[in-house]
Amino acid sequence: QQQVKQSPQSLIVQKGGISIINCAYENTAFDYFPWYQQFPGKGPALLIAIRPDVSEKKEGRFTISFNKSAKQFSLHIMDSQPGDSATYFCAASSSSGDKLTFGTGTRLAVRP
Amino acid sequence: EAQVTQNPRYLITVTGKKLTVTCSQNMNHEYMSWYRQDPGLGLRQIYYSMNVEVTDKGDVPEGYKVSRKEKRNFPLILESPSPNQTSLYFCASSHGTLGEQFFGPGTRLTVL
Repeated sequence: QQQVKQSPQSLIVQKGGISIINCAYENTAFDYFPWYQQFPGKGPALLIAIRPDVSEKKEGRFTISFNKSAKQFSLHIMDSQPGDSATYFCAASSSSGDKLTFGTGTRLAVRP
Repeated sequence: EAQVTQNPRYLITVTGKKLTVTCSQNMNHEYMSWYRQDPGLGLRQIYYSMNVEVTDKGDVPEGYKVSRKEKRNFPLILESPSPNQTSLYFCASSHGTLGEQFFGPGTRLTVL
């Protein structure tokens, strides 16, 4: 059962453009939504995270938008750079739970 | 340096030959977890541990065993590996399920 659905599977963006990755979840108990970034040959690393008490969180060029009623959240990368080329995973967990559930990942390629 | 280490990084083995992938963290984290990463399927949790001597199944535990005798170590055991266990494996640790998970560098396993 896929509790966190992520799209698109792959994304190609020109340098300077906006990259948008979307995730949807089913479990209304989820209250923590992180995004992880993975470069080739490396383990995933936390990029940015949000809790449902806010609708948006921004860190530099990276922004999470959160829509609680639609049970959706998205990652926006502004002014995308070739160095942003990586695989991005959304995830979700609940404070009453014991695991982090990941989406299937989005491979982002930013063309120079 | 705070880190999660895994060994070996690469392993080619044959069906039925028992193997162990070690995982160690130096951050005094209570929570540790094993994931496998497969194309199109994202990161799927195999087993996790909330603390010493406390382990539980994740989403895909069949064919795997774990133990948590010490806080820093969380080995993954494949008693009788099969080709469908060919995958990229990651160990991760955190202070809790809502905290940042720190991932190891990965172990690429091929079962012939």
